[in-house]
Amino acid sequence: DQQVKQNSPSLSVQEGRISILNCDYTNSMFDYFLWYKKYPAEGPTFLISISSIKDKNEDGRFTVFLNKSAKHLSLHIVPSQPGDSAVYFCAVLRGPYGGSQGNLIFGKGTKLSVKP
Amino acid sequence: DTAVSQTPKYLVTQMGNDKSIKCEQNLGHDTMYWYKQDSKKFLKIMFSYNNKELIINETVPNRFSPKSPDKAHLNLHINSLELGDSAVYFCASSIMTGANVLTFGAGSRLTVL
Repeated sequence: DQQVKQNSPSLSVQEGRISILNCDYTNSMFDYFLWYKKYPAEGPTFLISISSIKDKNEDGRFTVFLNKSAKHLSLHIVPSQPGDSAVYFCAVLRGPYGGSQGNLIFGKGTKLSVKP
Repeated sequence: DTAVSQTPKYLVTQMGNDKSIKCEQNLGHDTMYWYKQDSKKFLKIMFSYNNKELIINETVPNRFSPKSPDKAHLNLHINSLELGDSAVYFCASSIMTGANVLTFGAGSRLTVL
C-alpha cells in the first residue's frame, strides 16, 4: 500500500522549458511535503518543502504546489537546465508532527532528463 | 568536509556473513536514520535514533541491529546476510523540527552473493 505515488517513472524536457513533476498521496494527515533530488551514486538532497497549511512555495526556479482536496503535489522547474537532470523524490512527513517521530515517507521517484 | 559520511561505499559479501556499515554526521543534528533503497527504488525507513535513543524501528528483521555510541554516530550491523539484503543503505540526520529536513549520506551499496 503505497502512501506516496509518483506515477511517472521518467520525464524528458527541453532545456529552457518547464518541467512538471507530480506526486499523489493517500493520507490527509500529513503535515509537510518535500521534494528531494538525487544524482547517481549520491544521496538524496533536499530541494524544497511546503507546509500543509499553504498551497504554494517558491524558491528561485523551483515552485511546489499543494492541492489538498485532490491530495496532489507538484514541482515546477522553470526554466529547466541540463544540470537539473536527476531523479526527483516526493516525500511526506507522516502524521501530526508531534507524534510522527519525523518519519519521511518517499515516493518511488521520477527521472527527469533535460536535453540541451 | 562531508556532512554525513558512510563507510564503506561498496560492500560485496557472501550469504551468511556478518557486516557493518558506519555512519557519522558533523552537523550537530540530534536525530539519525537508516533508510534502505531496494531494487524497486523505494526509499524506506529502517531505524531512527534521537539523542542515542531508538525512536523508530520499522518492521526490520532482528538480524539488523543499529548502534548509536553517541549523537554523531549511527552504525548498522547485519547478521547472517541474505540475498534479499542486497540494496543501497542510506544514513541520514536531521534536527527534528518543522519539515524535518533530512541530510543524507552518499549511500552504501551492499551486494550479497
